[in-house]
Amino acid sequence: EAGVVQSPRYKIIEKKQPVAFWCNPISGHNTLYWYLQNLGQGPELLIRYENEEAVDDSQLPKDRFSAERLKGVDSTLKIQPAELGDSAVYLCASSLLGGPNTGELFFGEGSRLTVL
Amino acid sequence: SQQGEEDPQALSIQEGENATMNCSYKTSINNLQWYRQNSGRGLVHLILIRSNEREKHSGRLRVTLDTSKKSSSLLITASRAADTASYFCATDGGSRSRLTFGEGTQLTVNP
Repeated sequence: EAGVVQSPRYKIIEKKQPVAFWCNPISGHNTLYWYLQNLGQGPELLIRYENEEAVDDSQLPKDRFSAERLKGVDSTLKIQPAELGDSAVYLCASSLLGGPNTGELFFGEGSRLTVL
Repeated sequence: SQQGEEDPQALSIQEGENATMNCSYKTSINNLQWYRQNSGRGLVHLILIRSNEREKHSGRLRVTLDTSKKSSSLLITASRAADTASYFCATDGGSRSRLTFGEGTQLTVNP
């Protein structure tokens, strides 16, 4: 069975340019997460979806970040415009169970963004 | 913001030794999970312990949970070089039931 698939794995852009990341979760997983991970730190939640609905997006910087999960499967995370401080790894994860009592999360390999 | 804090931040041991990592958290939880992350890779789930459990085993892993002290420990016995990775605790709790990760412990197992 395929795991969580993310693309691209690496992206280098100039500041003020837009960038988009794509995630395909494990089949049958209704809950999808986007996490941001800075170097040497733990992942921080940006947004959580239950099917198509964003149920927890309070930590998503909505002035420049947007996300969508059409048809409750694949998801896209966009940054426009990117800033130097956005350089990080963007992790997508999925799970069978969302909150409360979140179960095991399955992570993709991440998309490493470098903003120059 | 991080809920869990791991201790130590970094740990270096010899192959065959045991490795113990600790996690402290601040609010009540439904469960606590441990994940491993190899360099440049995604996180991999290791073990989940519920708030009403005190100890759990999985292979060479032993996790304890003390809800009165709001702390957990992960013990890896008979460590191997392949155990070299960052280890994160993650707590599920609070009104949003958000899975929140700590800063991690970087474990290095020297052959």
